Amino acid sequence: DSGVTQTPKHLITATGQRVTLRCSPRSGDLSVYWYQQSLDQGLQFLIQYYNGEERAKGNILERFSAQQFPDLHSELNLSSLELGDSALYFCASSPGTQNQPQHFGDGTRLSIL
Amino acid sequence: QQQVKQSPQSLIVQKGGISIINCAYENTAFDYFPWYQQFPGKGPALLIAIRPDVSEKKEGRFTISFNKSAKQFSLHIMDSQPGDSATYFCAASRDGSSNTGKLIFGQGTTLQVKP
Repeated sequence: DSGVTQTPKHLITATGQRVTLRCSPRSGDLSVYWYQQSLDQGLQFLIQYYNGEERAKGNILERFSAQQFPDLHSELNLSSLELGDSALYFCASSPGTQNQPQHFGDGTRLSIL
Repeated sequence: QQQVKQSPQSLIVQKGGISIINCAYENTAFDYFPWYQQFPGKGPALLIAIRPDVSEKKEGRFTISFNKSAKQFSLHIMDSQPGDSATYFCAASRDGSSNTGKLIFGQGTTLQVKP
């Protein structure tokens, strides 16, 4: 058990809809990272928050947004969903912002019908 | 320059054999190289990591070899077991003024260890 909790485990929705994915980091970790895993793109970094503030952005679509709350949990919001957004979305956490071990949750599998 | 290239895509090894997975990178600013193991339905789990100031790191049956001049690093799994059957990812990140630690992943290697 990595200590990172992601909910829900599965999401099935339709094109054009909006969903929210939730992540609770390991106790004491201040950084939260979001990654997308798909068959064609592999594991891609989306966005990072550190202690409530956005720290880095990767290949994240404008339709996607995230935030980190005062209790350090994070949410990834995906809107105007398209078929191509179907993927596994992982959250990882680490103590700080530098090169430190990142521990991953078990992901949310998003299926767009 | 942000890519990490991983090979082979898939690997079949007999029980007790050595599994070797290779990665190459372009960005010389990378200074942290972890390996992750992923089982179906689970998130990637950190196996072992290395920094460029050492050429080899060993933890149990897992060893990372690092060649800074060639910009390559590899994972060796000694005495491979059926329980090692999983997908393995190499990754790289860099410290720097941005101080993010975001990981750039290789494409993954699916390892099957036959009994």
